[in-house]
Amino acid sequence: SQQGEEDPQALSIQEGENATMNCSYKTSINNLQWYRQNSGRGLVHLILIRSNEREKHSGRLRVTLDTSKKSSSLLITASRAADTASYFCATSITGANSKLTFGKGITLSVRP
Amino acid sequence: DTAVSQTPKYLVTQMGNDKSIKCEQNLGHDTMYWYKQDSKKFLKIMFSYNNKELIINETVPNRFSPKSPDKAHLNLHINSLELGDSAVYFCASSLGGTLYEQYFGPGTRLTVT
Repeated sequence: SQQGEEDPQALSIQEGENATMNCSYKTSINNLQWYRQNSGRGLVHLILIRSNEREKHSGRLRVTLDTSKKSSSLLITASRAADTASYFCATSITGANSKLTFGKGITLSVRP
Repeated sequence: DTAVSQTPKYLVTQMGNDKSIKCEQNLGHDTMYWYKQDSKKFLKIMFSYNNKELIINETVPNRFSPKSPDKAHLNLHINSLELGDSAVYFCASSLGGTLYEQYFGPGTRLTVT
C-alpha cells in the first residue's frame, strides 16, 4: 500500500485563490518532500521538511508537518495559471537503503 | 546548463528488442536513481546508486540492468522489451540519499509496440 497518499486527487481553483493539498503517510519518516510536475516534464523539488520541523515557507508555498497525525499540507497562496501541474508528496523513511516513496499525486488546475 | 539530462527523450520500439537510456548529472551528486512513472502518474523507484555502488534494487525484472560507469552517469539497459515496459523513465540525483532533495531529468517516454 502507498506510504504517501495525497488528497484531494484533483483540485480546480480560480487564479488568485489559495490551494491546499494534503498528504498522509503511514510510518515514521526522516523527512517529507513536495514536488511539482508540469505536463510532459520531470519533477521539480519544492520543499523538504524534516521530521523535527513543523512548518516551512518558500515564496508563495507553505508546508506544514504533523507527525502525530502523520500528515502534511502544502498551501499555495495567490495561485497563478502557471501553478497548474501535478503535485506529489514523497516520504523518506529512516533506515538503511532509505528511499523516497511517492504518492499518486494531485492534479491542480488554476483557471485564469 | 542542464543539471540532469537523459537521452533519448522518446523511444519507440518493438517487443523483444533491447534498448538503453542514458543519464548524466553535472551537479556533483553522489547518488543517482531510476524511477518508472506509469500511465496513472504513479512514480516508483527502480534502482539507486551511490558512488557507483548499487544500493537499492526494487522488485524489478532482471531484464532491467543499470550501469554506473562513474558518479556522474547512470544508464539503464532493458532486454527483451515487453508491452508492460511502456512508461516514462526518470533519472534523478541527490547530494546524499533521501536526506536531500532530488533533481530529476526530463524523462524518457518508452513506447513498446
